[in-house]
Amino acid sequence: AQSVTQLDSQVPVFEEAPVELRCNYSSSVSVYLFWYVQYPNQGLQLLLKYLSGSTLVESINGFEAEFNKSQTSFHLRKPSVHISDTAEYFCAVSVRDNDMRFGAGTRLTVKP
Amino acid sequence: DAGITQSPRHKVTETGTPVTLRCHQTENHRYMYWYRQDPGHGLRLIHYSYGVKDTDKGEVSDGYSVSRSKTEDFLLTLESATSSQTSVYFCASRDSGNYEQFFGPGTRLTVL
Repeated sequence: AQSVTQLDSQVPVFEEAPVELRCNYSSSVSVYLFWYVQYPNQGLQLLLKYLSGSTLVESINGFEAEFNKSQTSFHLRKPSVHISDTAEYFCAVSVRDNDMRFGAGTRLTVKP
Repeated sequence: DAGITQSPRHKVTETGTPVTLRCHQTENHRYMYWYRQDPGHGLRLIHYSYGVKDTDKGEVSDGYSVSRSKTEDFLLTLESATSSQTSVYFCASRDSGNYEQFFGPGTRLTVL
């Protein structure tokens, strides 16, 4: 079965600094990749997804992720973070319907 | 946002008692899911449904059962709750042909 590893459990950064949240996956077949964000006491919200096509995908609030097949990675980046980006971020991988595997999560804390 | 609600939002129960959690969606989505979220594990799939009366097991299904008698409702039952089932439970749903899952706000369950 596929699996997901998020390499950092916590990432503290200062406001307006760049950030990268790392995600690696393992799978012997083609995958669909996702980043979800969870704000405190809320459910998960989709941030962005890679299904096919361009390997660089972007969200509406400035995050981007690049699918790297050779490195089996899908790292999430933002060039300048805001306080409001403080949340937990989950990488997820799916190889077929109804089988989505999540990473353990990365808690991003943006400090003023 | 997809209209997904969960009830109750919080519950404290004792070991050995039965517990039922309810998920209700108003989007007429075909697929529904139950996950549990635990520190260090991300989200893990318990059971899912691909239609009324059609359900299947996920990664961590032992000790849980589900039922779906209507498109909009998906129930998760712990027949005899154990302390290891203390967790935050999330329901999600998605439409056919769309890989994005929409999540409910979660239910925090404590088994004493």
